[in-house]
Amino acid sequence: KQEVTQIPAALSVPEGENLVLNCSFTDSAIYNLQWFRQDPGKGLTSLLLIQSSQREQTSGRLNASLDKSSGRSTLYIAASQPGDSATYLCAVYNQGGKLIFGQGTELSVKP
Amino acid sequence: DADVTQTPRNRITKTGKRIMLECSQTKGHDRMYWYRQDPGLGLRLIYYSFDVKDINKGEISDGYSVSRQAQAKFSLSLESAIPNQTALYFCATRGRGTTYNEQFFGPGTRLTVL
Repeated sequence: KQEVTQIPAALSVPEGENLVLNCSFTDSAIYNLQWFRQDPGKGLTSLLLIQSSQREQTSGRLNASLDKSSGRSTLYIAASQPGDSATYLCAVYNQGGKLIFGQGTELSVKP
Repeated sequence: DADVTQTPRNRITKTGKRIMLECSQTKGHDRMYWYRQDPGLGLRLIYYSFDVKDINKGEISDGYSVSRQAQAKFSLSLESAIPNQTALYFCATRGRGTTYNEQFFGPGTRLTVL
């Protein structure tokens, strides 16, 4: 059974700092991996999606990497801003046709 | 207008009541999903549907039922609500052949069962 784990559960950093969020999964047989952002009480916004054959994806200040063999992905946020404060969710799309989520990392960027 | 909409956005009800949460989409996608989210946990799959006649149980289907009234509509019902069904509920869609199997999420329904 696929399990997705995100570390840390919560993170607080000063504005301007570069940071890394971690995601690990137990079954490397995945189709893709997706990072989402969730603001308090709100829905999910897709940030980046990495296909299983890809190593990384970039969008603006965000860079996501994927290492299938080790079951790991990282989301790198450069020059963090208070507006980046949110919960970041990692999810893998497995060969059973389902999206399996981690529990999220709650990020707080202090001005 | 939002591509995936959910109604109601917030609902407070009492134990034992029947509740229906509705999801509509204008994306023309054939696949629709219902998830619930509890504090400190990720989303967990309740039910999913690949088309109007194909409905499948997810990880936590007990206490829930669904109806796919049309390709664009997928409803989630709680026949007799209980307090541990208090959660944030999300609907999602995916189109066959969608690039990279991406799912698109609605804004969520916050349900409180007293």
